[in-house]
Amino acid sequence: RKEVEQDPGPFNVPEGATVAFNCTYSNSASQSFFWYRQDCRKEPKLLMSVYSSGNEDGRFTAQLNRASQYISLLIRDSKLSDSATYLCVVRPGNTPLVFGKGTRLSVIA
Amino acid sequence: GAVVSQHPSWVICKSGTSVKIECRSLDFQATTMFWYRQFPKQSLMLMATSNEGSKATYEQGVEKDKFLINHASLTLSTLTVTSAHPEDSSFYICSARGAGGQEQYFGPGTRLTVT
Repeated sequence: RKEVEQDPGPFNVPEGATVAFNCTYSNSASQSFFWYRQDCRKEPKLLMSVYSSGNEDGRFTAQLNRASQYISLLIRDSKLSDSATYLCVVRPGNTPLVFGKGTRLSVIA
Repeated sequence: GAVVSQHPSWVICKSGTSVKIECRSLDFQATTMFWYRQFPKQSLMLMATSNEGSKATYEQGVEKDKFLINHASLTLSTLTVTSAHPEDSSFYICSARGAGGQEQYFGPGTRLTVT
């Protein structure tokens, strides 16, 4: 089983739509959780950290369920500029980040 | 956020030659640097972790004699791909973390094409 699994997509949605991405992780000792965004041929950039209580940053909401080892990202009111690959990332303890394969999102006008 | 640079941003080399990629932390001291590799439509895969002044720790399946990592200072790490082959063509990304820090800051990546 892969350490971090994501639905690869692609998700093709119209502008203004709400879209949700899911991710599961296998290492129950994981302590830190993130969503990164990666544009084509670029490095990943931190979108937001994910906390057990859930957290929101503008149109983006992240949720963590430790019992189910499940992480989600919700994007409301999608913009064309949201088109990218979204990477689910975990850190099991004080170790390097472990990346999922990413979910590709295309927002269409 | 902190800034990490990589050089070159892209390189094309002939099979059998060696290529050196530099990763620099510009505004903080990177006690730990990580080297990742990403093939098309794949996730970032960690190749090795290096702590300043120590030998790098390589992930399983990564040949340490082929991918030479040097982390001689708190602001510079280098990855040398020796005797490159076409299958080494990939996107190489470095990441740096400061002492006691949690966040990893990523460089812009180096796209290597071996012909």
